[in-house]
Amino acid sequence: DAGVIQSPRHEVTEMGQEVTLRCKLISGHNSLFWYRQTMMRGLELLIYFNNNVPIDDSGMPEDRFSAKMPNASFSTLKIQPSEPRDSAVYFCASSSGLNYGYTFGSGTRLTVV
Amino acid sequence: KQEVTQIPAALSVPEGENLVLNCSFTDSAIYNLQWFRQDPGKGLTSLLLIQSSQREQTSGRLNASLDKSSGRSTLYIAASQPGDSATYLCAVVDDYKLSFGAGTTVTVRA
Repeated sequence: DAGVIQSPRHEVTEMGQEVTLRCKLISGHNSLFWYRQTMMRGLELLIYFNNNVPIDDSGMPEDRFSAKMPNASFSTLKIQPSEPRDSAVYFCASSSGLNYGYTFGSGTRLTVV
Repeated sequence: KQEVTQIPAALSVPEGENLVLNCSFTDSAIYNLQWFRQDPGKGLTSLLLIQSSQREQTSGRLNASLDKSSGRSTLYIAASQPGDSATYLCAVVDDYKLSFGAGTTVTVRA
C-alpha cells in the first residue's frame, strides 16, 4: 500500500490566491482527518470526515477554509482567499477505526507571501 | 478538553544511552495512545499504538508503557543511535480525534 498520499508537497502562493490541497486515503480506511502544524500551535485538527461525511469542522479557522470528500478515497482542502497567516504544514491522516491507529501523509508545506 | 504534555521538550544524549520520553494527559477516558516520530521537514511516522486495555507495547528497541489511571505514558528507546535523532510526538485518542503533545526533540550525539 502506498500510504496516505498528499499533493503538492510544497506550495508557494501570493496572498489572495486560491489554494487547493489534495489527499488520497489508504484503501479501506473510512475516516479522514486534516491537521495543520505550526511552530506556535503544534498540530491542530481542522476537520474530520467519517464515511465521506463531515463530522467535526470546529477546527476550521474561518469561512475561507473548506474541505470536501467527493468519494471514499479522496479529499480536498481549499483556502480562498489565502493569507500569510495560513502558512503552515497541512497533513491529512486516515484510519480504519479507533482501534487501528492513524496513518499520516507526508504533508503539504504552504507558504503564502 | 484533553491536554497532552510532553517532558522534556528537548533531550541530548551520547550514542548508546537509553532514552526515556514522558507523556501525560488530563482525561483518562481514552481509546488508545499512539507514539509518532517526525524528522525535520517530514511527515509523522507511527512507532507504537497502545490500546487503552494494554499496559505496554514493544517494537525492537522501542517500548512504550501506558498507565491510563494516572494519565501517563513513557517511551523507552534502548541503546540510542544517531539515527534516532528526531522529534517524538505522543497523541491520545478520545472520542475520535488525536490530541497531540508538543513533542520531545531528541539529539543523539555520535
